[in-house]
Amino acid sequence: GAVVSQHPSWVICKSGTSVKIECRSLDFQATTMFWYRQFPKQSLMLMATSNEGSKATYEQGVEKDKFLINHASLTLSTLTVTSAHPEDSSFYICSARDQGPSSSYEQYFGPGTRLTVT
Amino acid sequence: AQSVAQPEDQVNVAEGNPLTVKCTYSVSGNPYLFWYVQYPNRGLQFLLKYITGDNLVKGSYGFEAEFNKSQTSFHLKKPSALVSDSALYFCAVRAAPNTGGFKTIFGAGTRLFVKA
Repeated sequence: GAVVSQHPSWVICKSGTSVKIECRSLDFQATTMFWYRQFPKQSLMLMATSNEGSKATYEQGVEKDKFLINHASLTLSTLTVTSAHPEDSSFYICSARDQGPSSSYEQYFGPGTRLTVT
Repeated sequence: AQSVAQPEDQVNVAEGNPLTVKCTYSVSGNPYLFWYVQYPNRGLQFLLKYITGDNLVKGSYGFEAEFNKSQTSFHLKKPSALVSDSALYFCAVRAAPNTGGFKTIFGAGTRLFVKA
């Protein structure tokens, strides 16, 4: 089956620094990847849709300059949390959509990255 | 304001019995509706979606959901529950708010416990 990996699985950084999270589709190509944030009380938020070779589309209310998304290839998207603050501590999940001939909306999710900002 | 409600924090059902996980929404325009499941050791997975067309949508693992426009609901159902269905289920709706742009709103999640 389709596999999506994330790296790192957890990261601790100091306030004011930036941290990059990678999302890779391992056995399929993904023109579209998504970034989600899961808050401590389990609620989910879609942050942005990442399109290969073009700018990401951010959801309303998500700071574009804070959460930089780059989708440089069909198998890699990165999320950079810039000038991180403790309130950015969260669980970040990516997903990728298989660009195969099927018109299915099937998304495959990564295992998530736990970010703790101290 | 747009919102999604999963009125039950937890649903308990016996294995073999039918299960329903409820979802209602309030959005302007025509919504796109989704169900996701988060297993304890397997992460988040997409279950099914409604965009347009047939109101009854079939998804993964034998789940289905029915879009009911008049009741603004999109309840998730399965005829016969399995213990392995025990997980956290999220309903989501995607719509264009009046202020422009799209926003996907998730419900708070419903934890399903299936007892053997």
